[in-house]
Amino acid sequence: NAGVTQTPKFQVLKTGQSMTLQCAQDMNHEYMSWYRQDPGMGLRLIHYSVGAGITDQGEVPNGYNVSRSTTEDFPLRLLSAAPSQTSVYFCASSAQQPGEKLFFGSGTQLSVL
Amino acid sequence: GESVGLHLPTLSVQEGDNSIINCAYSNSASDYFIWYKQESGKGPQFIIDIRSNMDKRQGQRVTVLLNKTVKHLSLQIAATQPGDSAVYFCAENRDGGYQKVTFGTGTKLQVIP
Repeated sequence: NAGVTQTPKFQVLKTGQSMTLQCAQDMNHEYMSWYRQDPGMGLRLIHYSVGAGITDQGEVPNGYNVSRSTTEDFPLRLLSAAPSQTSVYFCASSAQQPGEKLFFGSGTQLSVL
Repeated sequence: GESVGLHLPTLSVQEGDNSIINCAYSNSASDYFIWYKQESGKGPQFIIDIRSNMDKRQGQRVTVLLNKTVKHLSLQIAATQPGDSAVYFCAENRDGGYQKVTFGTGTKLQVIP
């Protein structure tokens, strides 16, 4: 049982480039979410999904897109990378109420030059 | 306790001693609280949760105490081990839902062998 799998673990982008952070879970959880973690700040919610085909914006959605075509996958797309998007990104899933008892992936460390 | 500053507060504890990590939460309407453990280079890991209708909840070597009067949450770790070295942060949730989850910045626990 792999849990929540994120790829890649590290990524360096140039300003203006686009990319997709992959997230997959094998626990059949309905709820999935993306967070960014910056020094001195708590995790901040980017986007979330309460089921296949349903997504919504979190606290810091600008510059990011998501889709949820299957229960298992929840990719995060950076449309045009900016230095302000340099951060560590975590995908999480939960089986209970949205936001409760989250299972996190191991993270993607992204640097935008 | 936790801080919104750039430097995480650090708690140094001798191996075998008990650890107490504190968290002051912000919203008196929050009704669900979680402690997470984050080891270096890894994603956060769920430790224990508690709802506002409880004052205390115990897990394996961990106890969470909730004082709603002063909006304070604590995590007690019994017989602290080197593997407990990590950053610990709390999260508060109000009425369920991703949008109403607030994460703390964390406390770094260092276990001295």
